[in-house]
Amino acid sequence: AQRVTQPEKLLSVFKGAPVELKCNYSYSGSPELFWYVQYSRQRLQLLLRHISRESIKGFTADLNKGETSFHLKKPFAQEEDSAMYYCALRADSWGKLQFGAGTQVVVTP
Amino acid sequence: DAGVTQSPTHLIKTRGQQVTLRCSPKSGHDTVSWYQQALGQGPQFIFQYYEEEERQRGNFPDRFSGHQFPNYSSELNVNALLLGDSALYLCASSLGQDPTDTQYFGPGTRLTVL
Repeated sequence: AQRVTQPEKLLSVFKGAPVELKCNYSYSGSPELFWYVQYSRQRLQLLLRHISRESIKGFTADLNKGETSFHLKKPFAQEEDSAMYYCALRADSWGKLQFGAGTQVVVTP
Repeated sequence: DAGVTQSPTHLIKTRGQQVTLRCSPKSGHDTVSWYQQALGQGPQFIFQYYEEEERQRGNFPDRFSGHQFPNYSSELNVNALLLGDSALYLCASSLGQDPTDTQYFGPGTRLTVL
């Protein structure tokens, strides 16, 4: 069965400190992984996807198939990074997304 | 382009009633997916509509049904509402012919069942 696990419900970090959000998945094939973000009072939006291999707003994520992980990292957290972050997996060609429960990030000055 | 729009914003119903939620996709998109997001949880896939047909369905009972219109807008209907149906319902649109296309989400409809 497909599953996405985000073990941390809440991450509290200081501004300028590194932040890492963990995401583990279970899927037997080759999934496509995403990170979505939801800022306060805004809609869910795509932050990045593993096939793009790009850095968005200073965030990067590497797909580790051996560890079935797709952790999100940023070396220096900013206050504007405070948001809800969801890891998601697309396991078929029609676009169905399987989401984790989400991690709330709070960046304090 | 306003992006994906949903109506209404909020809705309060009582158990046993029926509800209809509406979604207009982003301009140029032809595929609409619906998700249910319970409090403290990530979104869960309900179903997806493409070319006015239900193309894929998640693990939701038949009380949940939908429709897609020729202009690609979509409705989600829930019959015989239960307290557990209280959630944020999200609509996402994408291009059906491109499986790698990004899904764009609407702001959601908050349904409360009393």
